Amino acid sequence: GAGVSQTPSNKVTEKGKYVELRCDPISGHTALYWYRQSLGQGPEFLIYFQGTGAADDSGLPNDRFFAVRPEGSVSTLKIQRTERGDSAVYLCASSLGQGYSPLHFGNGTRLTVT
Amino acid sequence: DQQVKQNSPSLSVQEGRISILNCDYTNSMFDYFLWYKKYPAEGPTFLISISSIKDKNEDGRFTVFLNKSAKHLSLHIVPSQPGDSAVYFCAPQGNNQGGKLIFGQGTELSVKP
Repeated sequence: GAGVSQTPSNKVTEKGKYVELRCDPISGHTALYWYRQSLGQGPEFLIYFQGTGAADDSGLPNDRFFAVRPEGSVSTLKIQRTERGDSAVYLCASSLGQGYSPLHFGNGTRLTVT
Repeated sequence: DQQVKQNSPSLSVQEGRISILNCDYTNSMFDYFLWYKKYPAEGPTFLISISSIKDKNEDGRFTVFLNKSAKHLSLHIVPSQPGDSAVYFCAPQGNNQGGKLIFGQGTELSVKP
């Protein structure tokens, strides 16, 4: 079946601009996660949704970052006033959200802020 | 404060030999431990896991060992194959954390033919 889909795969934007990154999870997965991976590092947790609500947003670095999942399926990560330090690969994952279900990751969106 | 440490950034092994990747953690609330494998330009893929009530879990060529008292786990791959060349991440979960994973920095494994 279809895996987690992330669009766009690459995004180049200028410092100060607004960007939206989209994640389409596996059908039937209730839990959705956003991670950010910088070069040479492991993925860093940003936010997690159970259904439509953000159950844990403790990883969002500041108030320029915001994510929504209005219908409990597709999610959008929004970054305002982008900075060069926001450049990274943004990974989305979904899971069944029951017990210790493995997370299934998309291929990520590579964001470059110039 | 890094809760999960993979102290070897890279590892090179000859095809057919054993690969051992190590991971240390500090948070005693972790009770489920996963290993993910990542190829360039792809997302991490789940490889194998172990619950804190076990000390070993085996799946084909892959075995994970857990030493709770030492807060240490390791992934053994035997025999190693060139297709195993990838970055491996250790990623524990804590109870009541909603499935959130905390990743180590990763170890890049290179298996030479």
